[in-house]
Order: sequence, then C-alpha cells, then structure tokens
Amino acid sequence: DAKTTQPNSMESNEEEPVHLPCNHSTISGTDYIHWYRQLPSQGPEYVIHGLTSNVNNRMASLAIAEDRKSSTLILHRATLRDAAVYYCILRGDSGTYKYIFGTGTRLKVLA
Amino acid sequence: NAGVTQTPKFQVLKTGQSMTLQCAQDMNHEYMSWYRQDPGMGLRLIHYSVGAGITDQGEVPNGYNVSRSTTEDFPLRLLSAAPSQTSVYFCASSYGPIYSGNTIYFGEGSWLTVV
Repeated sequence: DAKTTQPNSMESNEEEPVHLPCNHSTISGTDYIHWYRQLPSQGPEYVIHGLTSNVNNRMASLAIAEDRKSSTLILHRATLRDAAVYYCILRGDSGTYKYIFGTGTRLKVLA
Repeated sequence: NAGVTQTPKFQVLKTGQSMTLQCAQDMNHEYMSWYRQDPGMGLRLIHYSVGAGITDQGEVPNGYNVSRSTTEDFPLRLLSAAPSQTSVYFCASSYGPIYSGNTIYFGEGSWLTVV
C-alpha cells in the first residue's frame, strides 16, 4: 500500500508562513498527490493537488520533491481560519481506485 | 447544484437496530465512497464504488453493506448496529480516480450514536 507520513501536530503564528510536510516514499510513478483539510465539525475540503512540479492556487502552494517521495503544503500567511487537520492523500493500493487518508497534521494557529 | 447530500445528519440507534445512511450526488460522478471518523482520528474507508453496479471493500467494511444501483446514490446500510459503530460518517464522490488528478467532494457528515 502507498502510505503517507505526516507530523501529528504543528503550530504557527498568525500571518506567518506554514510548511506542512508529507512523506510518501512508496508513491506510484504517475499518481497525483492531493491535500485536503478538515475544519472542526466539517467534512474534508480540497486544498491542492499536483503531480511533479510545484503548484499554486489561491489557498496554498504545493512543493513536490524531485524524486516525488515527499511534498510540502505551504500556507503563505496563516490565519486563524486555517486551523484544521491537513491530510496528504494518495491511492491506497497500486492497481485499485481506493484512496486512503492518514492521520493528518493538526495545525494550530496562534493569534 | 447541491453537491454531495447526506441524510440524516444526526441519528441515535439502539444496539441491534438496522438503518441506512443515504448519500446522493448531482455531479454525475462515477466514484463514490463512505468513510467513518471516530473522535480525534482520521478518516477510514468503509466501502467504495467506481460506478453503478460496482462496489468494493475498504479498510473497515465489517458490519456495513452498500449497493450502487444508480450513478447518483450510494446508501450505506448498518446491518445490526453496535456501540463500536458510533462515529461520524462521510460520503464522498469524484468524477474519476484521485490518482488521475480528480477532486473529491465530501458531504457534511452524519453523526451516528449507538446506545
């Protein structure tokens, strides 16, 4: 199974950048890397995804290592509303369609 | 465009009762799945479907049944509820597989308590 490893928790001060790492050393060569976040008492929501090169959108940036064995979600200026659990997601088993959520990183933003 | 709709939002069951959690999407998505999330934990895949008539098991399928008779609906049935099934249940859908870059859309969740 493809497996992701993320730190359990991280803290950031408001208005400062946050780098959330994810290790996925068993990723298949052509699988996209996805990031979702879950605000308290809500369902997960899409943040960003990418394949090989770095990606940017209005919410965040995604930096993917050249060997694709790790990636980093970058929130350029953390706000209190960014406090959530962030999940890095891959396909669960090669050759199947299911995808597995890990335990994620709980981000705490300090005012 | 309602997205992914789950019903009911809250439910209390007695041990041994059966019930069905409903999930419907109006985005013509082929891929649908059910997750459960226990307090303070991540999401665990229960069952998933890649199209009408096709379902498969996830990580924690025991005690649950699914069927996919239409593209729009993917109900989750609890056969004989147990306290261990107290959890929040999320339904999700996507146009295609995530590994191809498709985005997953989640419902708002169904809070289930089994007493």
